[in-house]
Amino acid sequence: DADVTQTPRNRITKTGKRIMLECSQTKGHDRMYWYRQDPGLGLRLIYYSFDVKDINKGEISDGYSVSRQAQAKFSLSLESAIPNQTALYFCATSDFVNSVALYFGPGTRLTVL
Amino acid sequence: AQSVAQPEDQVNVAEGNPLTVKCTYSVSGNPYLFWYVQYPNRGLQFLLKYITGDNLVKGSYGFEAEFNKSQTSFHLKKPSALVSDSALYFCAVRENGGFKTIFGAGTRLFVKA
Repeated sequence: DADVTQTPRNRITKTGKRIMLECSQTKGHDRMYWYRQDPGLGLRLIYYSFDVKDINKGEISDGYSVSRQAQAKFSLSLESAIPNQTALYFCATSDFVNSVALYFGPGTRLTVL
Repeated sequence: AQSVAQPEDQVNVAEGNPLTVKCTYSVSGNPYLFWYVQYPNRGLQFLLKYITGDNLVKGSYGFEAEFNKSQTSFHLKKPSALVSDSALYFCAVRENGGFKTIFGAGTRLFVKA
């Protein structure tokens, strides 16, 4: 997990606030992902990026935006948070050439009141 | 469309007994199949994968999984469970040549001493 870091680890905010979750990786991987985990639903893909100039929507992108500031940094924003965005958010990376597995950060627990 | 089903929300097993966590999948092409484990307050950790070759794949911590193409299944197994194996297990699938990994809802494994 130390190769993929997420900040903050926990965040409580209010409805309507703008929130940014940040992810950094030292694995040198080109691909980065944001997933959301809800109990009983597993992980659902929000956005993914294959390089700095490539951003793609996942299954549940509505209400979210992302920015790939560098190969090692991928941030997720909630422009106007709502309570049903309360969840555990994971950043993940992969190296398509050498490994198809995902490597996850420790997660950010977000609560929207 | 890709999908993954983990039919059991929870599996209970006694320490020292064999364990099986079930997974079935649906994908249009040849699948890449994965198992991940999540310990409390941690991100997901990669356990093992099937890409091609031998239907029985071995992974971390003594776990293995059997790929069955005709039954579209990829069940996780371990010959002798440990209390420390208690965690949340996720099966995942990615279509060969595809870009997105889809996760099942997860199965919580309880190993009783």
